[in-house]
Amino acid sequence: GQQLNQSPQSMFIQEGEDVSMNCTSSSIFNTWLWYKQDPGEGPVLLIALYKAGELTSNGRLTAQFGITRKDSFLNISASIPSDVGIYFCARGPGGTSYGKLTFGQGTILTVHP
Amino acid sequence: GAVVSQHPSWVICKSGTSVKIECRSLDFQATTMFWYRQFPKQSLMLMATSNEGSKATYEQGVEKDKFLINHASLTLSTLTVTSAHPEDSSFYICSARVVGGAEAFFGQGTRLTVV
Repeated sequence: GQQLNQSPQSMFIQEGEDVSMNCTSSSIFNTWLWYKQDPGEGPVLLIALYKAGELTSNGRLTAQFGITRKDSFLNISASIPSDVGIYFCARGPGGTSYGKLTFGQGTILTVHP
Repeated sequence: GAVVSQHPSWVICKSGTSVKIECRSLDFQATTMFWYRQFPKQSLMLMATSNEGSKATYEQGVEKDKFLINHASLTLSTLTVTSAHPEDSSFYICSARVVGGAEAFFGQGTRLTVV
């Protein structure tokens, strides 16, 4: 099936630092979604991207849909301890399959106070 | 808005028994819901697509007779793990698609432990 390559797998940073993670794919997609998952919880949608080149912010989070439609990145600025969790990129093929998502491997973020 | 609730949050059952997990969209109607399974430290893997009023569509490698899905109303889908075995122990998560959008909102997940 179509794979998403997410990197890095894990990050250990100090509070206040900026964080960047990205996803790439060999296929073109119509949507990119970024989720955060806390331990024992379901994923929560952070940012949804629908257009190539689109840059969207949600508070300290910024995500971009790559121009080639094969990649996306997520940046977190001025990290705080509650940013800890697993971040997943996901792609939606669009059309009638909206919601049928394929997830990246996840990036485990640890923030040291 | 767009709240999805799963029940139970966790369940422990004996090997050989069946377990039912409910997924409800609380403030919207969902003609389509999705069931995922997540093993520890791994990503979410789609198991099946649940369509209201019709049969579910299962992903390759997922046994439809073992993981029974029923989507009897626009706000409820259920996943029944039949004759559960320890290898079925996992975190099961549902999501519901907002009509007309790409966003899928997730339930809080159900931790199944089969002993």
